[in-house]
Amino acid sequence: GIQVEQSPPDLILQEGANSTLRCNFSDSVNNLQWFHQNPWGQLINLFYIPSGTKQNGRLSATTVATERYSLLYISSSQTTDSGVYFCAVYTNAGKSTFGDGTTLTVKP
Amino acid sequence: DAGVIQSPRHEVTEMGQEVTLRCKLISGHNSLFWYRQTMMRGLELLIYFNNNVPIDDSGMPEDRFSAKMPNASFSTLKIQPSEPRDSAVYFCASSFFVGARLYSNQPQHFGDGTRLSIL
Repeated sequence: GIQVEQSPPDLILQEGANSTLRCNFSDSVNNLQWFHQNPWGQLINLFYIPSGTKQNGRLSATTVATERYSLLYISSSQTTDSGVYFCAVYTNAGKSTFGDGTTLTVKP
Repeated sequence: DAGVIQSPRHEVTEMGQEVTLRCKLISGHNSLFWYRQTMMRGLELLIYFNNNVPIDDSGMPEDRFSAKMPNASFSTLKIQPSEPRDSAVYFCASSFFVGARLYSNQPQHFGDGTRLSIL
């Protein structure tokens, strides 16, 4: 099946810093989503982004489908950005695969 | 508007018992996803419904698991008989399906999850 690799696995930032999270996938996909799981376990869907670039406040995401990767940018990080960021891909065959996540810790 | 509502929030039961997890969709949504999260396997999509019809159940681990949508706003996930390896956090999410793609391009809204422990 499709492989999804996220990097880095862990990231520690000082408040106010910027960061880039990466998601590589091994096959063509027709849907890619980024999720944030906060330290209390709640999941939030950040972006639906099978291709192109989207922005939502301090967060933006870019997917280059032809090169099989997606990037999540966090600017001016805040302590509330802490948690685990997952990417999930969905293929034409109806399969979905999640990456193992990047654990982000933002220190005040 | 109320978000996705899952019940119970926590369940502890003995191996062999039937477990029923419940999910109420956001009003107006027509897509429903059941996910499972464990330390060993991470997040997994179990099953996905559009307009009450199961579209993709390839993630359902085995016949002990079944999911239904008895109406447009409610879903259940049953495990019978339960086993210790079923212990996990189970999330449901709802969305609004638009168009003909297999998966919606609309955001998924998650419930707070059910933490299930099978002893």
